Amino acid sequence: AQSVTQLGSHVSVSEGALVLLRCNYSSSVPPYLFWYVQYPNQGLQLLLKYTSAATLVKGINGFEAEFKKSETSFHLTKPSAHMSDAAEYFCAVSEGGGYSTLTFGKGTMLLVSP
Amino acid sequence: KAGVTQTPRYLIKTRGQQVTLSCSPISGHRSVSWYQQTPGQGLQFLFEYFSETQRNKGNFPGRFSGRQFSNSRSEMNVSTLELGDSALYLCASSLGWGDGTGELFFGEGSRLTVL
Repeated sequence: AQSVTQLGSHVSVSEGALVLLRCNYSSSVPPYLFWYVQYPNQGLQLLLKYTSAATLVKGINGFEAEFKKSETSFHLTKPSAHMSDAAEYFCAVSEGGGYSTLTFGKGTMLLVSP
Repeated sequence: KAGVTQTPRYLIKTRGQQVTLSCSPISGHRSVSWYQQTPGQGLQFLFEYFSETQRNKGNFPGRFSGRQFSNSRSEMNVSTLELGDSALYLCASSLGWGDGTGELFFGEGSRLTVL
């Protein structure tokens, strides 16, 4: 069975500071990994995905994530936070092979202060 | 290209009633998945449909059911509503089951409140 752990239900940063959101996964097969963002009263939007190609994945809005198999991690980073980045972020894993069923982490709320 | 459309966006029901939620996937997408989102449990997978067949099912009681039509539109139904069914129900579509991407496109959700 696969699972995702996101460390920290809330992360606070100042505008312009580095954003680091942590995600660790467990999977019995090579995983597909995703980061989604959810703004209030909206659905989820895909930020980026890892599908066994390059280990450093670049996404939208300046976000990127690095797949580290030895650490079973897929942490999300952004060099400089903007106020508009304030939202809830979800890490998710699928079994790969094109299967669409995702297992999500509990989410991390990113708070950005001026 | 229109995104995933869910209706209704908000609804209020009372315990014991039933509810039907609708989802229209992105044009050309043939797979539809449903997820329940609650503050306590987070995002949990309900079921996935492809070509009018349920391909996968999450760990939910039989009160939760769904179906997919030939035009790929999907509905989910919850019967005998309980207070704990209050949640945001999210529909997501993808190109196809086993399409090699695992990428889902989500709608804005249907927020169900059970009183």
